[in-house]
Amino acid sequence: GIQVEQSPPDLILQEGANSTLRCNFSDSVNNLQWFHQNPWGQLINLFYIPSGTKQNGRLSATTVATERYSLLYISSSQTTDSGVYFCAARTNTGNQFYFGTGTSLTVIP
Amino acid sequence: GAVVSQHPSRVICKSGTSVKIECRSLDFQATTMFWYRQFPKKSLMLMATSNEGSKATYEQGVEKDKFLINHASLTLSTLTVTSAHPEDSSFYICSAKDSWAAQPQHFGDGTRLSIL
Repeated sequence: GIQVEQSPPDLILQEGANSTLRCNFSDSVNNLQWFHQNPWGQLINLFYIPSGTKQNGRLSATTVATERYSLLYISSSQTTDSGVYFCAARTNTGNQFYFGTGTSLTVIP
Repeated sequence: GAVVSQHPSRVICKSGTSVKIECRSLDFQATTMFWYRQFPKKSLMLMATSNEGSKATYEQGVEKDKFLINHASLTLSTLTVTSAHPEDSSFYICSAKDSWAAQPQHFGDGTRLSIL
C-alpha cells in the first residue's frame, strides 16, 4: 500500500504561535484528508483535499499532488488545538485508505 | 452530512469471549467499508477492507480467522473478534465512503475493547 509519512512527530507550541504540519505520500492520490483525533479517539475531519488549497478559520491546507505532499497550517494556535493530527490518503489505483504516522501537537498557555 | 455509526463504543469482557462490533452508514450506501485498529499513541492501522456481498480483503499480518468481517448489506459491516484475549484489547474504528468515487472517507466514533 501507499506509504504516508508525517512530520514532525511531536510539536510543542506557545499559544498564539503558527505551525505547519507536513504529510508526504509515496504515490499519486485521489483522496487526501486531514484529521484531528480528540482525547476520546474520535476523528474530526478537517479537510478533504486531494489537491489545491482550502481554508477554514485558523486552519488551512494545501496539497501539491504532483510533488506528493500536503501541508496543514494552524495559525494563532490555541490550547484546544492540542491533540494528534493525522493525514490519510487513497491512491488512484487502489481502494484502501491509509493513515500517516501522526503529529502530536501540544499548545501551552 | 454523511454519518457512520459504530456500536458499541466501549466493551469490557472476559478472555475467550467473542465480540461483535457494528458499523453502519446512516444516510448513504457504502459498497466498501474499512476496519482499523489503533494502539495507544500509535497511528491507525488498516486491518481489512469489507466488501458488500463478498469476502473481505485482509492486510498482511492480520488473522482473518481472528477478525471475522461480514458486509451483508450496503449499509452494514460487522467485525467479530473471536475468542478474544488481552492482546486483542485496542481501539477499533470503521470507515465508509459513499459508493461514488470522488468522496471523502467518513469514520465512526470507534470502539474501545478491553479484554480481561
